[in-house]
Amino acid sequence: SQQGEEDPQALSIQEGENATMNCSYKTSINNLQWYRQNSGRGLVHLILIRSNEREKHSGRLRVTLDTSKKSSSLLITASRAADTASYFCVPNQGGKLIFGQGTELSVKP
Amino acid sequence: GAVVSQHPSWVICKSGTSVKIECRSLDFQATTMFWYRQFPKQSLMLMATSNEGSKATYEQGVEKDKFLINHASLTLSTLTVTSAHPEDSSFYICSGTLQLGSYETQYFGPGTRLLVL
Repeated sequence: SQQGEEDPQALSIQEGENATMNCSYKTSINNLQWYRQNSGRGLVHLILIRSNEREKHSGRLRVTLDTSKKSSSLLITASRAADTASYFCVPNQGGKLIFGQGTELSVKP
Repeated sequence: GAVVSQHPSWVICKSGTSVKIECRSLDFQATTMFWYRQFPKQSLMLMATSNEGSKATYEQGVEKDKFLINHASLTLSTLTVTSAHPEDSSFYICSGTLQLGSYETQYFGPGTRLLVL
């Protein structure tokens, strides 16, 4: 198993702006998953993108995957204060998931 | 769907006592459950992998005799922190794996906050 490396570590934006978070990993994957964690809470599964997919949408979320560069990005459009949270990308080869440090997103009203 | 619950949501105990935390998958059968620990301002750290009916697999550095894991059914795993000490105070999160076709997705519980005095 491997962990993703999120970038930036912290991101602060105004409400209504878009937020882009990047993720890199090291070895081949079956899929890559993005999770959100609000402060002091459990994790919420946001989206799973398979290794044969390049882009996926879910509401205001857009995830891309470039397996040749071993990278992914998460775009949140029209951000809201409620989007303030930590975001984790988790490359998955099957089995256990290992979490990196995440990106701490702060959306100011 | 795919809801995981934990009980209790928070617990305060005296040093030296044991604490049991339950993790349940409410609307699916989780072939595998995982236990994580998270200290303030840090990421989740995987403690162990729990499979129904078999012994848990612990990550390096996690004491199996201190953190007892029992996976009695496909919907219930328990973590017992034995002889808890203040340094065991942390946020404990479990997850259950849902198999969908050839892909697995982990769904996380809301966490249990443990404070050892």
